[in-house]
Amino acid sequence: GQQVMQIPQYQHVQEGEDFTTYCNSSTTLSNIQWYKQRPGGHPVFLIQLVKSGEVKKQKRLTFQFGEAKKNSSLHITATQTTDVGTYFCAGRYAGNNRKLIWGLGTSLAVNP
Amino acid sequence: DVKVTQSSRYLVKRTGEKVFLECVQDMDHENMFWYRQDPGLGLRLIYFSYDVKMKEKGDIPEGYSVSREKKERFSLILESASTNQTSMYLCASSSEGASYEQYFGPGTRLTVT
Repeated sequence: GQQVMQIPQYQHVQEGEDFTTYCNSSTTLSNIQWYKQRPGGHPVFLIQLVKSGEVKKQKRLTFQFGEAKKNSSLHITATQTTDVGTYFCAGRYAGNNRKLIWGLGTSLAVNP
Repeated sequence: DVKVTQSSRYLVKRTGEKVFLECVQDMDHENMFWYRQDPGLGLRLIYFSYDVKMKEKGDIPEGYSVSREKKERFSLILESASTNQTSMYLCASSSEGASYEQYFGPGTRLTVT
């Protein structure tokens, strides 16, 4: 079936270090979205990537979509304690655009 | 701002009880979703609806049913609650189309004893 694999499952960093989470699909995605869930909160949409090779930035966050539209990454530069939470990728496949296929998430802990 | 509300933040029910979880969105979204979230298992889709009275099974529909009689309201029903349905339940909504993100409610933490 359609699956989106996300790694790592957990990441501990010192404040100021960089962080990256990766998502990979065995089949081509129509688009991919990224969400952040703060501890005790609910997922909140961050961004959507649609085009092959697309790169988007939001302040210290950089999102990339692979050339083959099968993988994506989220990179945070110089992490801060406010970055703590779980980051999810969620992809859509052609033919079923209503559903998102979710990665299991990467939980980020930041030591001050 | 889009608002998705869920009827309860915390709920405790006994095994065998019928449980109703309500979700309401105020942005006229066509699509509504019910997920459960368990540690290490991410978000798993139970059911979704793309129109009034329309529904589709998600990945783990067993033991659940849904109802959508009005566009803004999507209910999740546990016909006979079991302890393995203890979980965080998240409702979400989105506009029709591939470009639209999902907006989530605050979640209901259900404990079945």
